[in-house]
Amino acid sequence: SQTIHQWPATLVQPVGSPLSLECTVEGTSNPNLYWYRQAAGRGLQLLFYSVGIGQISSEVPQNLSASRPQDRQFILSSKKLLLSDSGFYLCAWATGTGFEQYFGPGTRLTVT
Amino acid sequence: DAKTTQPPSMDCAEGRAANLPCNHSTISGNEYVYWYRQIHSQGPQYIIHGLKNNETNEMASLIITEDRKSSTLILPHATLRDTAVYYCIVRARLGKLTFGQGTILTVHP
Repeated sequence: SQTIHQWPATLVQPVGSPLSLECTVEGTSNPNLYWYRQAAGRGLQLLFYSVGIGQISSEVPQNLSASRPQDRQFILSSKKLLLSDSGFYLCAWATGTGFEQYFGPGTRLTVT
Repeated sequence: DAKTTQPPSMDCAEGRAANLPCNHSTISGNEYVYWYRQIHSQGPQYIIHGLKNNETNEMASLIITEDRKSSTLILPHATLRDTAVYYCIVRARLGKLTFGQGTILTVHP
């Protein structure tokens, strides 16, 4: 069966520090991968999606970037965090032709 | 993707059916109706989707009106664990999911 992992589960970082969040998927090949952010009390916002290695589409201009160095690995990064980057970051995967997206457990980021 | 409108909150008694409405009057012919839910501090969970026929799975039933401008998610016997935010999303088959504010469903003992 397929499994999606995210780490860390929680993170507290000072403003201006770098960020690296990792997401890995097991049990499937060539998945579509997604990064979402959910600010406190708000809905999910799609940040990036990827249909293959090295292929990244950005949905919202921001202080973040994404990379996909391996088929089942998706990384969210920032060189300098802002207070507004705080939120709940969720990774998701889907098959190329499937209807459902499957979400990971999320990383709760607090920028202080 | 078509916009959806959902009530901000609903209550339901445990063991009763929970009927969650969604309006999507601008839905296009190639767009599907999806339902996800998010339990507090967890990632969203896929529930069900449909195009124009009613659908049922082990979690819920989806009733889509004939004109496809609205739908209802039915949880036949709600439990306390069904307390969550329920999102109705309309999108083309390979389109992106756009989550709105959803409906906060609270199931009471």
